[in-house]
Amino acid sequence: EDQVTQSPEALRLQEGESSSLNCSYTVSGLRGLFWYRQDPGKGPEFLFTLYSAGEEKEKERLKATLTKKESFLHITAPKPEDSATYLCAVISGSSNTGKLIFGQGTTLQVKP
Amino acid sequence: DTGVSQDPRHKITKRGQNVTFRCDPISEHNRLYWYRQTLGQGPEFLTYFQNEAQLEKSRLLSDRFSAERPKGSFSTLEIQRTEQGDSAMYLCASSPNKDQPQHFGDGTRLSIL
Repeated sequence: EDQVTQSPEALRLQEGESSSLNCSYTVSGLRGLFWYRQDPGKGPEFLFTLYSAGEEKEKERLKATLTKKESFLHITAPKPEDSATYLCAVISGSSNTGKLIFGQGTTLQVKP
Repeated sequence: DTGVSQDPRHKITKRGQNVTFRCDPISEHNRLYWYRQTLGQGPEFLTYFQNEAQLEKSRLLSDRFSAERPKGSFSTLEIQRTEQGDSAMYLCASSPNKDQPQHFGDGTRLSIL
């Protein structure tokens, strides 16, 4: 069964303290892995798409990487405004519709 | 690009009532998805439309749930005889093709009294 697991569930950082979020996946052939940011009461906001192992994407303080079993979201020198829930999702190769399979998310809190 | 729009943002209703939510996708996107999200969890897939055709439904979508997308434009999700367990955030997303990112609306939060 296709599955996505994120760790840790919650992460507290001091402003400027870099860290990484993990997304482990088990799918029948990966068509794409997606990172989203979700603020309270809002819908997920798209951040990155990764399609093949070894691929990396970067945006401001965020960098996403992909291996054959997992993806990491690296946060460099975070600021309080980076506080949010970060969601990882995959599209399985067995899907004809492109539906996303999400992990449970990592809630990040960055203290000033 | 005005983004995905959902209405209402919040719906409070009594158990047993029927509710209907609306989603307006990004205009050039022919793929539309509905997801449900409960507190502390990631969104779970409910159903998928390509243009006006409903091509996949999750087993989460009981016979009390029905979705439509007339003319391949906006979509509605109706829940009949609501139950406490239906309390959740209902999210709509659209994309231009299967492997492209889905863009989400801000959801409708359903609260059952």
